[in-house]
Amino acid sequence: GAGVSQSPSNKVTEKGKDVELRCDPISGHTALYWYRQSLGQGLEFLIYFQGNSAPDKSGLPSDRFSAERTGGSVSTLTIQRTQQEDSAVYLCASSLVSIAGGGEQYFGPGTRLTVT
Amino acid sequence: AQSVTQLGSHVSVSEGALVLLRCNYSSSVPPYLFWYVQYPNQGLQLLLKYTTGATLVKGINGFEAEFKKSETSFHLTKPSAHMSDAAEYFCAVYTGGGNKLTFGTGTQLKVEL
Repeated sequence: GAGVSQSPSNKVTEKGKDVELRCDPISGHTALYWYRQSLGQGLEFLIYFQGNSAPDKSGLPSDRFSAERTGGSVSTLTIQRTQQEDSAVYLCASSLVSIAGGGEQYFGPGTRLTVT
Repeated sequence: AQSVTQLGSHVSVSEGALVLLRCNYSSSVPPYLFWYVQYPNQGLQLLLKYTTGATLVKGINGFEAEFKKSETSFHLTKPSAHMSDAAEYFCAVYTGGGNKLTFGTGTQLKVEL
């Protein structure tokens, strides 16, 4: 079956502009995660959605970052007034079972964001 | 708070040689431990995971890892490296308190002829 897909694969934007990154999880997966991967860094957790529960936003680095998940499926990560330090690869993952339940996260290929 | 340390940001081995990628973690509670592999321009793929039970875990592509509580380690090994193993490898830990993994900074594995 289809895996996690993300669009666009690459995005170049000017400092100060807003960007939207999209994630289509695997069908039926109730959990969705966003991570940020900066050069030379590990993956940094951003936000987690589980079904209809309130999302865990504890990893969002500033109020310029927001995310939503519509209909329990597609998710959009929005970065407002982009800064150069926002340049990174943004990875989305989904899972059928939570990590606590021993579930596996399936990752998309990522969106490479470059802020000039 | 938990953390993950991967010793060696770059590791180079000869084809056919042993692969050993090191991972140490800090956690005050029993962890779940994971190894992921990332090929260029691709997302992460799960190699193996430890949750409970047997401490020696076998994964895909001939990799295995052993959870050693006394050493707080979860090193990844493969007896014989193949050119196709060249990729970046990430160790990750889950210790509860939210459904998120904490990742190490990754180890880039190079396999030479």
